[in-house]
Amino acid sequence: LAKTTQPISMDSYEGQEVNITCSHNNIATNDYITWYQQFPSQGPRFIIQGYKTKVTNEVASLFIPADRKSSTLSLPRVSLSDTAVYYCLVGVGGGADGLTFGKGTHLIIQP
Amino acid sequence: DAGVTQSPTHLIKTRGQQVTLRCSPKSGHDTVSWYQQALGQGPQFIFQYYEEEERQRGNFPDRFSGHQFPNYSSELNVNALLLGDSALYLCASSPGMNTEAFFGQGTRLTVV
Repeated sequence: LAKTTQPISMDSYEGQEVNITCSHNNIATNDYITWYQQFPSQGPRFIIQGYKTKVTNEVASLFIPADRKSSTLSLPRVSLSDTAVYYCLVGVGGGADGLTFGKGTHLIIQP
Repeated sequence: DAGVTQSPTHLIKTRGQQVTLRCSPKSGHDTVSWYQQALGQGPQFIFQYYEEEERQRGNFPDRFSGHQFPNYSSELNVNALLLGDSALYLCASSPGMNTEAFFGQGTRLTVV
């Protein structure tokens, strides 16, 4: 299973764009990259998934370079409610099957 | 549409006892996975059920077992509880394997 590395914590301010980068140097050809968000005492929530280039949905964008050895989750115009832990997962099909989440990135948004 | 529901929400057990946690998947989902999340850590995969069979298993001892019923709901059983089993137990369902997972709120298990 591809191992991921992401920053332990990040700080930003309301209204800013936040980019969280995840390294996955040994990603396999059939692996997808998926990001989850988790608030305290709640289960993780799917944010976005991609295979290559760029994916955008109503809450985030995911940028994946051609070598796919890293990916960047971009959160536009963050608010206080975006304070959470963000997990990067790499695996077949883009789900969380059989995957153990790392410690994630604790994003703290300040006023 | 109810999402993934887990019961109970909180539970306190004594070391050596057995516990059963329950999960009802989101409507239309047939795959259920269980995770253990210790304080300050990310969720660790325990096992996954599909078509009433265990399909994948993480690095957990045999004290952890499960079951999936014909209506796709699932149970997680833990025998001979240890203090280290204290954690948030999360259930996730998905419409098939290797697809987006929807997580429940979890069951907070405390072993004393």
